[in-house]
Amino acid sequence: KAGVTQTPRYLIKTRGQQVTLSCSPISGHRSVSWYQQTPGQGLQFLFEYFSETQRNKGNFPGRFSGRQFSNSRSEMNVSTLELGDSALYLCASSPGLAGGRNEQFFGPGTRLTVL
Amino acid sequence: GEDVEQSLFLSVREGDSSVINCTYTDSSSTYLYWYKQEPGAGLQLLTYIFSNMDMKQDQRLTVLLNKKDKHLSLRIADTQTGDSAIYFCAAGGRFSGGYQKVTFGIGTKLQVIP
Repeated sequence: KAGVTQTPRYLIKTRGQQVTLSCSPISGHRSVSWYQQTPGQGLQFLFEYFSETQRNKGNFPGRFSGRQFSNSRSEMNVSTLELGDSALYLCASSPGLAGGRNEQFFGPGTRLTVL
Repeated sequence: GEDVEQSLFLSVREGDSSVINCTYTDSSSTYLYWYKQEPGAGLQLLTYIFSNMDMKQDQRLTVLLNKKDKHLSLRIADTQTGDSAIYFCAAGGRFSGGYQKVTFGIGTKLQVIP
């Protein structure tokens, strides 16, 4: 099975711009979660999508949004970029089904630099 | 909701044992995970333990679970420079709507000194 893929791997933007990141989950997985990782704050949960619906949300401002398509691929968008948005954005997929383990499989991440 | 806490940094000498600690808040957590992140990569699952176990061993890795104190630890025996990475603890908390939400700690950076 192919793993989780994220595009692009690296991105440089300037303050005020917006950015869209993409994640393709493992085939058959219906849950996609997004995380922001910075050296100072560590790993922080952004949101989770399951069957095209946002199921869980972290504590981030409304500038951070996401969506999921019918093929389970997901995108996250950050509008009005700030310097502090520079981070590694990780996507994780899981079956997301009821019962049992809900092990997360991570992609390699998108490194976003805001200048 | 569930909180998972771990220290940010640990430094050990090559050949020594490393112990990375984690605490979680939801006593109904049924699965607890340890992930490893090497530089420039995503997180990879190292091991997991089910809540009805108190220990799990896998080669150089030993996971200890104290359910009463909601404390999880990962011991790496004979730590090598290749073990230098960030280690994440994660707890599969309360089932909500039938599925189990997994909450991650912020990660402990392990530095191995040659």
